[in-house]
Amino acid sequence: NAGVTQTPKFRVLKTGQSMTLLCAQDMNHEYMYWYRQDPGMGLRLIHYSVGEGTTAKGEVPDGYNVSRLKKQNFLLGLESAAPSQTSVYFCASSYQGTGGEAFFGQGTRLTVV
Amino acid sequence: GENVEQHPSTLSVQEGDSAVIKCTYSDSASNYFPWYKQELGKGPQLIIDIRSNVGEKKDQRIAVTLNKTAKHFSLHITETQPEDSAVYFCAATDYSSASKIIFGSGTRLSIRP
Repeated sequence: NAGVTQTPKFRVLKTGQSMTLLCAQDMNHEYMYWYRQDPGMGLRLIHYSVGEGTTAKGEVPDGYNVSRLKKQNFLLGLESAAPSQTSVYFCASSYQGTGGEAFFGQGTRLTVV
Repeated sequence: GENVEQHPSTLSVQEGDSAVIKCTYSDSASNYFPWYKQELGKGPQLIIDIRSNVGEKKDQRIAVTLNKTAKHFSLHITETQPEDSAVYFCAATDYSSASKIIFGSGTRLSIRP
């Protein structure tokens, strides 16, 4: 049982390049989330999904897009990367949404130069 | 929307002493308050949670208290051990609606031998 798996674990991008971060969970969870973690700012919610085919904006959605075509996968896209998007990105999933435990992946460290 | 403030940002205690981390939230609709522990290089993991119909919950050396009137909740760790050194996050959310989990900015706890 892998839990929540994020791909890739590390990535360096040049300003203006695009990329997609993949999150996969094998726990049959309905809810999935993308967070970014920056020093002194905790975990900030980028986008989230309450089920297959649905997405919603979080606290800091600008510059990111997401898709949830399959229940087990939640993709985070950066269309034109900026240095301000240098961060550690975490994906999480939960069964009961807000009332249940959220399980986190190991994180993706992204550097935009 | 919900806003969660967490204090202190760093905390150093002597091994065996107690540690207390405090959080306040803004949305009176929030009714679920989890605490997560993040070890170096890993994703956060749930250590304890509390729902709004409970004032206190304890699990071995860890306890959480909730004051809904004042909109604050606290994490208490007693008899601290070296393995308690980590970053701790509080969070708040509304169990029944938007499914967003909003986190505090984190507390880096260090245990001095």
